[in-house]
Amino acid sequence: GNSVTQMEGPVTLSEEAFLTINCTYTATGYPSLFWYVQYPGEGLQLLLKATKADDKGSNKGFEATYRKETTSFHLEKGSVQVSDSAVYFCALSDQRDSWGKLQFGAGTQVVVTP
Amino acid sequence: DSGVTQTPKHLITATGQRVTLRCSPRSGDLSVYWYQQSLDQGLQFLIQYYNGEERAKGNILERFSAQQFPDLHSELNLSSLELGDSALYFCASSLSGTVHSEQYFGPGTRLTVT
Repeated sequence: GNSVTQMEGPVTLSEEAFLTINCTYTATGYPSLFWYVQYPGEGLQLLLKATKADDKGSNKGFEATYRKETTSFHLEKGSVQVSDSAVYFCALSDQRDSWGKLQFGAGTQVVVTP
Repeated sequence: DSGVTQTPKHLITATGQRVTLRCSPRSGDLSVYWYQQSLDQGLQFLIQYYNGEERAKGNILERFSAQQFPDLHSELNLSSLELGDSALYFCASSLSGTVHSEQYFGPGTRLTVT
């Protein structure tokens, strides 16, 4: 079956540091890939997505590229802010499954200190 | 604010009891998804409805059931509750309920079973 693996947290870094969160997937078909962010006490928000190989999703300074050859979708941001402290989830949706249910990784907590 | 509302925000109940969680989707969205977030299992898809009909089922226990009403709100019913059912339950809505339609998440209902 399909699965998503992401690096364990917490990831602690200083403001303006470079952030990378690794995400790899296993899928028998051609998934769409997503990054969601969960701020404390809130629901999940879609951060970015990519629907086919070599697509780059970007939003709010975050980027991720769909790499079919390495089955990866790593999230990066060049200069983090304290407000980026949150839990980040990598997810996939199997495009053969018409109804779009999401399968999530375990989540990575990111803590940015001033 | 995603436009998806969930009530109640918190629920504390005893083992063996039954509870109902409610979700109102964004205006215009026809599909509702339910997800469970627990410490040991992470974020898991439970069930999806589209315009009142069940469309997809995930790891939903037989003690759990859901429905979507004509006004498109949805309810998740959890019965014979066990300690392990303690979790955050999220509802998400999307316009068409397909793999191409973005899901918007509500703030969640935190269920504590004592």
